[in-house]
Amino acid sequence: KQEVTQIPAALSVPEGENLVLNCSFTDSAIYNLQWFRQDPGKGLTSLLLIQSSQREQTSGRLNASLDKSSGRSTLYIAASQPGDSATYLCAVREGNMLTFGGGTRLMVKP
Amino acid sequence: KAGVTQTPRYLIKTRGQQVTLSCSPISGHRSVSWYQQTPGQGLQFLFEYFSETQRNKGNFPGRFSGRQFSNSRSEMNVSTLELGDSALYLCASSRQDREHEKLFFGSGTQLSVL
Repeated sequence: KQEVTQIPAALSVPEGENLVLNCSFTDSAIYNLQWFRQDPGKGLTSLLLIQSSQREQTSGRLNASLDKSSGRSTLYIAASQPGDSATYLCAVREGNMLTFGGGTRLMVKP
Repeated sequence: KAGVTQTPRYLIKTRGQQVTLSCSPISGHRSVSWYQQTPGQGLQFLFEYFSETQRNKGNFPGRFSGRQFSNSRSEMNVSTLELGDSALYLCASSRQDREHEKLFFGSGTQLSVL
């Protein structure tokens, strides 16, 4: 059974810092990995999708990498801003379902 | 283009009642999946529909059921509600039943069972 772990569970940084969020999974037979952002009480917003054949994806200040063989992905956020404060979730896709990590709650202080 | 729409946004029910939640996917999307989110268990997969057929089901009791209509809209039903069913229920859609497709989520229905 696939298990997805995100470390750290919570993170507080001052504005302007570069930061890395980690995601690990136990079964490398995945189709893709997706990073989401969730604001309190809201749905999920897709940030980046990395196919199993890809190594990384970039969108603006966000960069996500995937190392399938080691079961790891990282989300790099450059020059963090208070508006980046949210919970970040990674999810791996196997077949028709996603398995989510527990999320990292990020607080960026002005 | 409208996003994934879930109704109602909030629901309050009492134990033993039943509830139906609705999800309208993005226009042209044929795959709809449902997830339950609780503080203790996180996000857990409920089931997934494609072209009116349930293709996959998570580890939830039979009280949780769903269906998809010919216009791809989906409903989820929970019967004999329990306190532990209190959660944010999220619906996601994608265009096709292809593993490389990105999923788009609605804002969810917050269900409180008293």
